[in-house]
Amino acid sequence: SQTIHQWPATLVQPVGSPLSLECTVEGTSNPNLYWYRQAAGRGLQLLFYSVGIGQISSEVPQNLSASRPQDRQFILSSKKLLLSDSGFYLCAWRTSATNEKLFFGSGTQLSVL
Amino acid sequence: AQSVTQLGSHVSVSEGALVLLRCNYSSSVPPYLFWYVQYPNQGLQLLLKYTTGATLVKGINGFEAEFKKSETSFHLTKPSAHMSDAAEYFCAVSEANYGQNFVFGPGTRLSVLP
Repeated sequence: SQTIHQWPATLVQPVGSPLSLECTVEGTSNPNLYWYRQAAGRGLQLLFYSVGIGQISSEVPQNLSASRPQDRQFILSSKKLLLSDSGFYLCAWRTSATNEKLFFGSGTQLSVL
Repeated sequence: AQSVTQLGSHVSVSEGALVLLRCNYSSSVPPYLFWYVQYPNQGLQLLLKYTTGATLVKGINGFEAEFKKSETSFHLTKPSAHMSDAAEYFCAVSEANYGQNFVFGPGTRLSVLP
């Protein structure tokens, strides 16, 4: 069966520090991968999605970047965090075989202080 | 481009009362529509989806939603609210034929009062 792993679960970082959040999917191949951010009291904002290795689409200009070094690995990064980067980050995947459904990881709560 | 609006950022109902969460979408192509639920500090779980066929879809935990193309709506209902239904609910739209984008509404927080 397919599973999605996202870590860490919580992270507290100072302003100006770098960031690396990792997401991996098991049990499927060639998934579409997504990074969403959920700010406190707000909905889900699509940050990046990827349809294949090295293919990244950015939805919102920001302080963040994404990379997909392997088929089932999706990394969210920043060189210098801002206070406004705080939020709940969710990784998700889907394939044509899942009949359009998105499957979400358990999320990372990032606090930038 | 696609978009989703959810009327009411916070809805309160009494236990046993009808739950109605509203969702309207905009899409230039045939949409696939979804409702997801999120419990505190967790990821999202799929409640139900509409892709093709019957416009009234049933999901988990007694929820159902009806796709109304003429009204561009996909409202979520449950006849009788339970305390465990208290959560954040998100409506989402995706393009048919495995469109790559997947757009969520801002969410509605449902509170269930005893």
